[in-house]
Amino acid sequence: EAQVTQNPRYLITVTGKKLTVTCSQNMNHEYMSWYRQDPGLGLRQIYYSMNVEVTDKGDVPEGYKVSRKEKRNFPLILESPSPNQTSLYFCASSLDRQETQYFGPGTRLLVL
Amino acid sequence: DQQVKQNSPSLSVQEGRISILNCDYTNSMFDYFLWYKKYPAEGPTFLISISSIKDKNEDGRFTVFLNKSAKHLSLHIVPSQPGDSAVYFCAAIPGGGGGADGLTFGKGTHLIIQP
Repeated sequence: EAQVTQNPRYLITVTGKKLTVTCSQNMNHEYMSWYRQDPGLGLRQIYYSMNVEVTDKGDVPEGYKVSRKEKRNFPLILESPSPNQTSLYFCASSLDRQETQYFGPGTRLLVL
Repeated sequence: DQQVKQNSPSLSVQEGRISILNCDYTNSMFDYFLWYKKYPAEGPTFLISISSIKDKNEDGRFTVFLNKSAKHLSLHIVPSQPGDSAVYFCAAIPGGGGGADGLTFGKGTHLIIQP
């Protein structure tokens, strides 16, 4: 089954404790992206990747890092999480940036 | 500055009637538009799209209209069904390359279909 998976689905952590949210897709997609969804703000892009080893900042990249060492994986790293990063995070992938993006189920993060 | 605007946070429609969701954009570089549907506790799923070279695209009960001169698009659902109750996001992609060129989303409209 073609899908985008994210882990964990739910995470509670404390300020400053490094964490990684994994994202994997099995559709051989070139383009991958991370979004966060906040009440009243919709979905905002954090980082995107056009291909392996090619990543770039989206609209709200501060406090986040990503890497793309393999085509299928695109982890989101929070080196020192803060409470304002409490949000619902979505990973997405597509053949290229102009194609329909397929979204993962989301990761709900609470930073205390 | 919000480049994709959905000015109605919520919309209530009776089952069987037409639902019309509106979206306005400000960036004239956008040339591809999409609608996504989102249920609680799930990721957004693609619904329908339209290229800027068209003014209408239809898929079953869903039709998207694009008015480039007004920088406006709308999603029509007819007839509306209870399963259509969800949050609908309008999204846009600019033509060309470079920059933060992923999807730019609106804030969403919560559609509620009343029985």
